[in-house]
Amino acid sequence: DAKTTQPNSMESNEEEPVHLPCNHSTISGTDYIHWYRQLPSQGPEYVIHGLTSNVNNRMASLAIAEDRKSSTLILHRATLRDAAVYYCILRDWNQGAQKLVFGQGTRLTINP
Amino acid sequence: EPEVTQTPSHQVTQMGQEVILRCVPISNHLYFYWYRQILGQKVEFLVSFYNNEISEKSEIFDDQFSVERPDGSNFTLKIRSTKLEDSAMYFCASSESFGVGATYSNQPQHFGDGTRLSIL
Repeated sequence: DAKTTQPNSMESNEEEPVHLPCNHSTISGTDYIHWYRQLPSQGPEYVIHGLTSNVNNRMASLAIAEDRKSSTLILHRATLRDAAVYYCILRDWNQGAQKLVFGQGTRLTINP
Repeated sequence: EPEVTQTPSHQVTQMGQEVILRCVPISNHLYFYWYRQILGQKVEFLVSFYNNEISEKSEIFDDQFSVERPDGSNFTLKIRSTKLEDSAMYFCASSESFGVGATYSNQPQHFGDGTRLSIL
């Protein structure tokens, strides 16, 4: 599995934007970039995914570098409820509905 | 919004006893998973299940583990003879469809809130 690298922790303030980086320098052409998050005492939760173009949904935006070796998850206006561990995961679309391989993720703290 | 439900939320069992963890996946989903998370560690894949068969399993999923879909709604994980190191949060997940290609491979997995298994 291609690896991802994320900072162990980040901190931000409520109502400010948050940019969560992920490096995936060995990404292959068939890998999609997925983001999940895990709120305290809950199971992981899907956030967003993309291949090459930037993506937006109701939860977040995903900005993907032109060479695809890195990406950034953007929370436009963080709330206290966004405090969670955020995981950047690569999924090969050629492999079917495969398992998710979680790293340590980034623990995001939101200050009121 | 439909959700994956897991029972019980907390299970305490004596070492060596059998335990069954139960999950009700989202009703139209076809692909099912179990993951576990030991306290303070990463979420780890255990097994995936499709069409009443195991499609993939990890090294963790040894002979003491088994999965079953006994009826049209439940998906269970059985641990035959529990060990202290089986203490963890166990998460069930499901996804909508199965197949190769971007549409299928990118289907999100929907997770339950887990069962905390404590082995004494």
